[in-house]
Amino acid sequence: IAGITQAPTSQILAAGRRMTLRCTQDMRHNAMYWYRQDLGLGLRLIHYSNTAGTTGKGEVPDGYSVSRANTDDFPLTLASAVPSQTSVYFCASSFSGGATDTQYFGPGTRLTVL
Amino acid sequence: GQNIDQPTEMTATEGAIVQINCTYQTSGFNGLFWYQQHAGEAPTFLSYNVLDGLEEKGRFSSFLSRSKGYSYLLLKELQMKDSASYLCAVRDNDYKLSFGAGTTVTVRA
Repeated sequence: IAGITQAPTSQILAAGRRMTLRCTQDMRHNAMYWYRQDLGLGLRLIHYSNTAGTTGKGEVPDGYSVSRANTDDFPLTLASAVPSQTSVYFCASSFSGGATDTQYFGPGTRLTVL
Repeated sequence: GQNIDQPTEMTATEGAIVQINCTYQTSGFNGLFWYQQHAGEAPTFLSYNVLDGLEEKGRFSSFLSRSKGYSYLLLKELQMKDSASYLCAVRDNDYKLSFGAGTTVTVRA
């Protein structure tokens, strides 16, 4: 593994189903983030984690949950998917989440909820 | 809250120069980032400004004026591979990024 990986690459999901998007980084970054990207709206922060064991809410957290059991993994769960959650989801990581930080993005997961 | 504006689309000719403007009104400011995103791919980091002035990095330069809430990304000697979306992002006092909707640049031969 080099950098950030996400799985699956794409998924079609029936409304009401539960889905977990996976994100793994091997850069030993402390901070990780989940964004969704919708046409005309840009990237919006869903949840973040500044370090293993801690999480926080972003701009659009409703309907999503995250966990950060270790440094490398930051899964995003949709407990009961709805069509408005159709989007492209990007995971990102940065060294510290602080002042001199740059975020690096994974390749994305394209999710369609029918 | 954050309000970040940038043009939706721009078109330019190969070899030319294009300037992408970004204006912002944010509740806090801790730096401004520019990312490049090719269609179907992840955003990749281009530049970072936290102090007023111009940062130059090869064919790409980024400028910031904090008093005016204004930045621009300058792309010189345009190449076909520069066709992409360019995202302006502002970092707030909690070190979280807020993104503009992006500017799609099309380079024509």
